[in-house]
Amino acid sequence: AQSVTQLDSQVPVFEEAPVELRCNYSSSVSVYLFWYVQYPNQGLQLLLKYLSGSTLVKGINGFEAEFNKSQTSFHLRKPSVHISDTAEYFCAVLAIQGAQKLVFGQGTRLTINP
Amino acid sequence: DAMVIQNPRYQVTQFGKPVTLSCSQTLNHNVMYWYQQKSSQAPKLLFHYYDKDFNNEADTPDNFQSRRPNTSFCFLDIRSPGLGDAAMYLCATSLRTGTGSYEQYFGPGTRLTVT
Repeated sequence: AQSVTQLDSQVPVFEEAPVELRCNYSSSVSVYLFWYVQYPNQGLQLLLKYLSGSTLVKGINGFEAEFNKSQTSFHLRKPSVHISDTAEYFCAVLAIQGAQKLVFGQGTRLTINP
Repeated sequence: DAMVIQNPRYQVTQFGKPVTLSCSQTLNHNVMYWYQQKSSQAPKLLFHYYDKDFNNEADTPDNFQSRRPNTSFCFLDIRSPGLGDAAMYLCATSLRTGTGSYEQYFGPGTRLTVT
């Protein structure tokens, strides 16, 4: 079975400051990793994904994440945030073999202050 | 653009009155999922269809049913909604191949209110 822990439930940041949203996972098998963003009253939008290859992945809206296998982490970063980045962010894993179900973290609410 | 569409976006129903939420997709994906998401929580998988094969999660109440009449459409039926069923319902799709499946694509969700 897989589990995902997002270490911060809320992250307040000033506009144009850098941000890091932390995600750690646990799995006995290899996994794919994802970050989704959810704006109020919207569905989830895929920000970026790690399937294989380079451990640094770039996504939409200037976000990037780094897969660290030894630390079982997949932290999300952005060098300079905007008010429009205010949203809920979910880290998720998908086992490459087996049940093929997305396992989500609890979510991190990112609030950008002017 | 290929997408996942959910109708309606907002649905109000009365306690105990059956309600159906719909989802359609133009991605031609073979897997369709239904999630329930309550406030400030992660989405919770209710069930999914892999082609015509229905897969129910063990803890999904019997009150929730689903139909997939064809590749493009999937419905969520709540037979007797209770106040605790008020939530956002998310439909998602993915493409499963012989090597597995990858990212899921989500619709905009239907916000269900039970009065």
